[in-house]
Amino acid sequence: QSALTQPASVSGSPGQSITISCTGTSSDVGGYNYVSWYQQHPGKAPKLMIYDVSNRPSGVSNRFSGSKSGNTASLTISGLQAEDEADYYCSSYTSSSTYVVFGGGTKLTVL
Amino acid sequence: QVQLQESGPGLVKPSETLSLTCAVSGYSISSGYYWGWIRQPPGKGLEWIGSIYHSGSTYYNPSLKSRVTISVDTSKNQFSLKLSSVTAADTAVYYCARDLLIVVVAATPGSGYFDYWGQGTLVTVSS
Repeated sequence: QSALTQPASVSGSPGQSITISCTGTSSDVGGYNYVSWYQQHPGKAPKLMIYDVSNRPSGVSNRFSGSKSGNTASLTISGLQAEDEADYYCSSYTSSSTYVVFGGGTKLTVL
Repeated sequence: QVQLQESGPGLVKPSETLSLTCAVSGYSISSGYYWGWIRQPPGKGLEWIGSIYHSGSTYYNPSLKSRVTISVDTSKNQFSLKLSSVTAADTAVYYCARDLLIVVVAATPGSGYFDYWGQGTLVTVSS
């Protein structure tokens, strides 16, 4: 059982927007602005898409955006494209002794 | 550009020690950042194993701490993972990554994010 809770799957049609949620506690997501999101295509390494809740690394499309409200962080992908089909993982700094916590992952299907 | 490359045996026998090395190019380990190991069992999610600084300072996942040793060789710009007494449950793709450590006042340090990752290496534990 993962420390952060994500939906197992989400889907959307090309051009639409989708949002993936990531729920934690006040010891991680809710307490600090250190939430990150990773995209993972099959057989590939995770790729950092969002850090510090809403910042995009250089080279990441501005179709990807992040936000947070209370103990829940969200990743929104606008203008869905076929290449966005992948697994997405959230992660957060945690003040507990576990150093970092991950979500269980969400499979995005582009219909 | 920062690049990481894992290497090591793809098959380890139960009860033996898993050993992997991560070679870093395009960035000097001694310049900063922590450097971490993360694994992913087949079809499952990500699990942080541990992270190390060039000084040798380490943080380990409490659930694996008794079996994990991470070391660094700054002269070769690489860091290594050893996981002892492995079982089938340790079968996974093992990734190395650059780790931004966050230090928060009155709280334990932790990871802010992992920004550069190796391609990963599958390690199977089987006799």
